[in-house]
Amino acid sequence: NAGVMQNPRHLVRRRGQEARLRCSPMKGHSHVYWYRQLPEEGLKFMVYLQKENIIDESGMPKERFSAEFPKEGPSILRIQQVVRGDSAAYFCASSPREEANSPLHFGNGTRLTVT
Amino acid sequence: GEDVEQSLFLSVREGDSSVINCTYTDSSSTYLYWYKQEPGAGLQLLTYIFSNMDMKQDQRLTVLLNKKDKHLSLRIADTQTGDSAIYFCAENINKLIFGAGTRLAVHP
Repeated sequence: NAGVMQNPRHLVRRRGQEARLRCSPMKGHSHVYWYRQLPEEGLKFMVYLQKENIIDESGMPKERFSAEFPKEGPSILRIQQVVRGDSAAYFCASSPREEANSPLHFGNGTRLTVT
Repeated sequence: GEDVEQSLFLSVREGDSSVINCTYTDSSSTYLYWYKQEPGAGLQLLTYIFSNMDMKQDQRLTVLLNKKDKHLSLRIADTQTGDSAIYFCAENINKLIFGAGTRLAVHP
């Protein structure tokens, strides 16, 4: 059973470009979470999605950031007009259910560098 | 409020025990987690403990939970160089809230 797959592993964008990060959850998992890790810091929650629904986006910046988890295909985290401060590692995690005792399984992350 | 705190660094000698401490704030957390992150990698779930337990042991890992003081610790027995990593404590309140991580360095 493949784990959580994220791609690309590394992404370089110039200021003002768009970044699209993809996440395929583990097989059978219908809940996806995105976290951001700034250099030398812990993980900060961004957004929690189920198929076709955003459940909690309290950690998402109000502008330029959006996330989706369509019925078919991976979850996408999209960052428009990137700035240097967006440089970070972005981790996706999935779980099979909503219950509080469901541990999250993480992908290896996408490391975004904005030049 | 949501806040998980950990000390940032720990250095131990190979073969000694490591104890990584964590405090959390939300008493409604039902589960508390320990994750390990190696350089350039994602987070690996090490272990977790249900809030009505005081202790959980899994091979070299021992988790202690003091719910009254909202204090969680992870003890690694016979620490090896391969244990060098960043260890994150997390509480679950509808979503996982992480501490900043403790960087464990194991030296010979």
